[in-house]
Amino acid sequence: DAGITQSPRHKVTETGTPVTLRCHQTENHRYMYWYRQDPGHGLRLIHYSYGVKDTDKGEVSDGYSVSRSKTEDFLLTLESATSSQTSVYFCAISELRVTGDPYEQYFGPGTRLTVT
Amino acid sequence: KQEVTQIPAALSVPEGENLVLNCSFTDSAIYNLQWFRQDPGKGLTSLLLIQSSQREQTSGRLNASLDKSSGRSTLYIAASQPGDSATYLCAVSWGSARQLTFGSGTQLTVLP
Repeated sequence: DAGITQSPRHKVTETGTPVTLRCHQTENHRYMYWYRQDPGHGLRLIHYSYGVKDTDKGEVSDGYSVSRSKTEDFLLTLESATSSQTSVYFCAISELRVTGDPYEQYFGPGTRLTVT
Repeated sequence: KQEVTQIPAALSVPEGENLVLNCSFTDSAIYNLQWFRQDPGKGLTSLLLIQSSQREQTSGRLNASLDKSSGRSTLYIAASQPGDSATYLCAVSWGSARQLTFGSGTQLTVLP
């Protein structure tokens, strides 16, 4: 299994509070991604990183920010959590071949976040 | 818009049957296509990766095919078993960051 951990694994928080989710990898992969999974919407990309300090927005980035100060860590922050951000959050990693084609994308175990 | 569609949303088959899961996508300029398995309440397990230059990949009882011109991929499962029961997700890599766009999945139930 790819070395990806997510913390916390479960969190319950109140509306309006800040929340930070952490993704840690031991594979030294350049690309890291945050997705959320919701019934009826499947998995959707929130933000991604293509290197230290290099990040960009995905499909559903509103209300989220990210940071990557080290290759191995990618943080997802909800500045002021809302009930619509109740979801399961998955981190993923990937690397590119010399051709530019991506290798498999590997996923972490997920964080279940409930905003009350 | 680049989209991935999986039909049917749910499928129930008796044990031992061979089956095919379908995935279609709207833009043929893909980097690769990946099939995942997800058990209830669990994470995603990668099953097969097909590069854009490939036509198929095999792993054990699984065979995935890719036809870029028609925007389709199939996942063939031979001799299905109750342990194969799970949701199967198809995901396509487009874009500069090779991020994945997912289908909504096919929930497979294999009856003993």
